[in-house]
This record gives sequence, C-alpha cells and structure tokens, in this order.
Amino acid sequence: ILNVEQSPQSLHVQEGDSTNFTCSFPSSNFYALHWYRWETAKSPEALFVMTLNGDEKKKGRISATLNTKEGYSYLYIKGSQPEDSATYLCAFIAGTYKYIFGTGTRLKVLA
Amino acid sequence: EPEVTQTPSHQVTQMGQEVILRCVPISNHLYFYWYRQILGQKVEFLVSFYNNEISEKSEIFDDQFSVERPDGSNFTLKIRSTKLEDSAMYFCASSGDMGTEAFFGQGTRLTVV
Repeated sequence: ILNVEQSPQSLHVQEGDSTNFTCSFPSSNFYALHWYRWETAKSPEALFVMTLNGDEKKKGRISATLNTKEGYSYLYIKGSQPEDSATYLCAFIAGTYKYIFGTGTRLKVLA
Repeated sequence: EPEVTQTPSHQVTQMGQEVILRCVPISNHLYFYWYRQILGQKVEFLVSFYNNEISEKSEIFDDQFSVERPDGSNFTLKIRSTKLEDSAMYFCASSGDMGTEAFFGQGTRLTVV
C-alpha cells in the first residue's frame, strides 16, 4: 500500500510569520508530486507540479522543493497572510494513473 | 476559464438505492478521476479513466461502483446499492495528460440515510 504522509496535521501561525510543511512519499515508482491548496467550501486548486529530483518551484510567497531519492517535498510560505489559511494537500503520482493524496496540513494564519 | 462541473451539488438517498453522480470534465482533457472525502478524513482516490476504460482503481472501488463516459462529455459515477458509509463528498477531476495537474469540480455531497 502506497502511503503519503503530511506533517504537521495542522498549525496556527501569526500574520507575517514564515512556515513550512512536509510531504513524505514512497521513493520508488515516482512519477510526479503535486501540491494543492484547498480552501473551505471550494475544490482543491493546483499550486505546483513537480517531476524532477531537486525541483524548486515558486509562486509569489509560496515555494516548494522536491527530493525523490529520499521521498519528501517541502512547501514554504514566506510572510504568511490570513488569506493563506487553507488545507495544503500533496499528491503522489506513481508510475500508473493513481494519484495518492496525503492527509493535508490545515494552516490557520492569525491576523 | 474552463472548469470541471459536477451535479447535483447535494444528493440525499435512501440506503440501498442507486445514485448517479455526474461530472463534465474540461473539454480537451483526456484523463478523468473520481475521489471522495468522508467528513473529517483524507481525500481518497477511487478510480481513473482514460481512453474509455478504467486505468486504475482503488480498493474502495468495488463491484458496487462503476464509471461511464456515455456521450463524450459527461463522466458519471454510479453507486448501485448505497450504504451509510458511502456518505461523503465526491469530487470529479480531469487532467490533460497523465501526471499533469488535476482540475477538480466543486464536489457532490452524498448523504445516505
């Protein structure tokens, strides 16, 4: 059974703080790793699609890194804002058509 | 901007009844997926569909589930005989190629009573 773990499960940060969370996935049969942002009452939206070991992607204040050999990806948010409050999901795509989602990290940014 | 649409947004059904959840994926996408999220739990993969057949399915996707692309635009999930534990939010998604970002619909909340 392929397992994708995210940590922490939830965290609260103050506005302006920087934060990061982890997605751990199997290091074999890797095809791609996605990060999604999921706001309450909306559907998940893709943040990053990462395919190569050592990939670093950036979108505004949010960035992500990928290590396929050891099976982890970090998502960083610099200078958190209240609008960053959401659940951040990673999805591991194995060398088949299956996307396996992690449990998510629920982020709450306090004004 | 193209989007994935799902209907209905909320479905209430009696245990043992059949339900069909409908999805219209993004028109030029080739890969289609169903996921579900039971309240308070993680998003679970159900099935992926490509070239008019199931590509991959999870352990959850047993004989009571089926998918169909009846007319080239809709992508449906049928649950033959619903159980209480099928109550969940069901999300449809599509992608243009395997491994590329998936675009999700707004979900159908299924409540089995």
